Amino acid sequence: GQNIDQPTEMTATEGAIVQINCTYQTSGFNGLFWYQQHAGEAPTFLSYNVLDGLEEKGRFSSFLSRSKGYSYLLLKELQMKDSASYLCAVKGVSGGYNKLIFGAGTRLAVHP
Amino acid sequence: DGGITQSPKYLFRKEGQNVTLSCEQNLNHDAMYWYRQDPGQGLRLIYYSQIVNDFQKGDIAEGYSVSREKKESFPLTVTSAQKNPTAFYLCASSIGVGGEYSNQPQHFGDGTRLSIL
Repeated sequence: GQNIDQPTEMTATEGAIVQINCTYQTSGFNGLFWYQQHAGEAPTFLSYNVLDGLEEKGRFSSFLSRSKGYSYLLLKELQMKDSASYLCAVKGVSGGYNKLIFGAGTRLAVHP
Repeated sequence: DGGITQSPKYLFRKEGQNVTLSCEQNLNHDAMYWYRQDPGQGLRLIYYSQIVNDFQKGDIAEGYSVSREKKESFPLTVTSAQKNPTAFYLCASSIGVGGEYSNQPQHFGDGTRLSIL
């Protein structure tokens, strides 16, 4: 089967660093995406990894290990506006076509 | 600005009624998608379309129908056969689906929240 696991909820303090983990088991692998979604709004694209290693983009970084089926999203210098859900999505193959398989999301609460 | 517009933002359905959710994009994207989002679950794919006049069922297509008569538009109809339609519906688009477009993200609209009266 195809499965993506990420923690349901996390809390962190403003100015701190938080790491959101994602493990996956999918048929085929054509890359892993991270999205941010504020409540009741559209998911917005944060990062894409297809090769092992770390991709850095400002305060956000994303890491991938394909052999371990593992990724994490690292958020530095947390701000209150970072309170949102973070969705891990793997582009796999299902039914003969490429599709994005989403995890349930991690709800992050940043407090002062 | 280019983007994806979904309407309405909130929609209520009566028993036995079909309702249609609108999705329009001006990004010139070939591929469009419909997802359903329920609390505690990941986004689930309802239908997708790689090109005009063509669409494919996703994982949970039963009780839904779509059309793709224009590149910009991909409306979703929730039929009376869908017994549990209450959910947040998200439309997305991307330049393409696979191959050279594998690294291209999907762009999402702001969603339509559908409830039962």
